[in-house]
Amino acid sequence: DQQVKQNSPSLSVQEGRISILNCDYTNSMFDYFLWYKKYPAEGPTFLISISSIKDKNEDGRFTVFLNKSAKHLSLHIVPSQPGDSAVYFCAAPLYNNNDMRFGAGTRLTVKP
Amino acid sequence: DAGITQSPRHKVTETGTPVTLRCHQTENHRYMYWYRQDPGHGLRLIHYSYGVKDTDKGEVSDGYSVSRSKTEDFLLTLESATSSQTSVYFCAISIGLAANTGELFFGEGSRLTVL
Repeated sequence: DQQVKQNSPSLSVQEGRISILNCDYTNSMFDYFLWYKKYPAEGPTFLISISSIKDKNEDGRFTVFLNKSAKHLSLHIVPSQPGDSAVYFCAAPLYNNNDMRFGAGTRLTVKP
Repeated sequence: DAGITQSPRHKVTETGTPVTLRCHQTENHRYMYWYRQDPGHGLRLIHYSYGVKDTDKGEVSDGYSVSRSKTEDFLLTLESATSSQTSVYFCAISIGLAANTGELFFGEGSRLTVL
């Protein structure tokens, strides 16, 4: 039961433009969301998070938007840089056990 | 750097053989996790530990066992490896009280191929 879904396996953008990565969830009990970034041959690293009491959280070039009514969140990267090329996972913790549910990931390629 | 070391980083084995992956942390965090990453599935929790000798199952625990005899080490064992267990395995720790109170910190991964 994949409660967190990333329906776009890949995304390619030009350097300097905006990258928008999308994530949908089905579990209305989720109230905290995280984005992780993963380079090849490395473990995922935490990027940014958002609580359900907010609809936006910004950290430098990275902004996450949350639309609770649509059960949708998105990660915006502006401006995109070649070093942002990686796989991005959205995730949400389950509160009834010590688990974090991850989406399948979106591979972002930023072209110089 | 959360001080997580996984070993081995790469392993090729044959179906039916036992395999043990080791996760070592240097900062005495209580919560440790084993995830597997597969294309189309993201990361899925196999087992986790909330203290020495305290472990519990995750979403995809069948075919796996774990042990934690010391705070710093969390072992994942495949008693009899199958080709479906070919994957990249990640160990993670939680700095907070549990996975649901903060972000996870991951090791670099162990790539296992079962022939």
